[in-house]
Amino acid sequence: SQQGEEDPQALSIQEGENATMNCSYKTSINNLQWYRQNSGRGLVHLILIRSNEREKHSGRLRVTLDTSKKSSSLLITASRAADTASYFCATDAWGIQGAQKLVFGQGTRLTINP
Amino acid sequence: DAMVIQNPRYQVTQFGKPVTLSCSQTLNHNVMYWYQQKSSQAPKLLFHYYDKDFNNEADTPDNFQSRRPNTSFCFLDIRSPGLGDAAMYLCATSRTAKMGNQPQHFGDGTRLSIL
Repeated sequence: SQQGEEDPQALSIQEGENATMNCSYKTSINNLQWYRQNSGRGLVHLILIRSNEREKHSGRLRVTLDTSKKSSSLLITASRAADTASYFCATDAWGIQGAQKLVFGQGTRLTINP
Repeated sequence: DAMVIQNPRYQVTQFGKPVTLSCSQTLNHNVMYWYQQKSSQAPKLLFHYYDKDFNNEADTPDNFQSRRPNTSFCFLDIRSPGLGDAAMYLCATSRTAKMGNQPQHFGDGTRLSIL
């Protein structure tokens, strides 16, 4: 069953603006991850934030996590045309032998207009 | 540099004709995953392996089978594809670690079309 829900489903902004995407989830987590998917390609891992972390940065990406509200946000600053993609949040679940499974949200389709 | 490789990138098969999709990895990761992703939807986990131990998701159709002959290779077999099985199929790998907290590494997927 789907764990994460993302908001908005689609976002269109001008190059140079900041883009914010939100993710809400239902059950307790060990970590939450964000992935990017360019059209027709596989997913690329962007950032992982542990349940005991509140904020994490990687280049132009900033992720926050509020476990009390069961929500996370991904901020992309100074957006570029190359950031056009779908962005998915994913929460962890336990698989066999302690392997980690991921449950993905529906994603946000981000379009950066030149 | 490609670390998770899926072949072919595009596969066309006929309704009811068995098809096999393949995935290989150079990362030596214990865990391999198969996902199905339909247009504008989230990837949906079908099954995963920890080494040779296999786990089927409860809602994965019986029509879908998988094999992992060794660490590097994993196959997805669709025994009698229906029109509803047209999708992108994604393979991913990850390391195991205590408390999880590992990213998954994805291939570029195989887009399956059913005629």
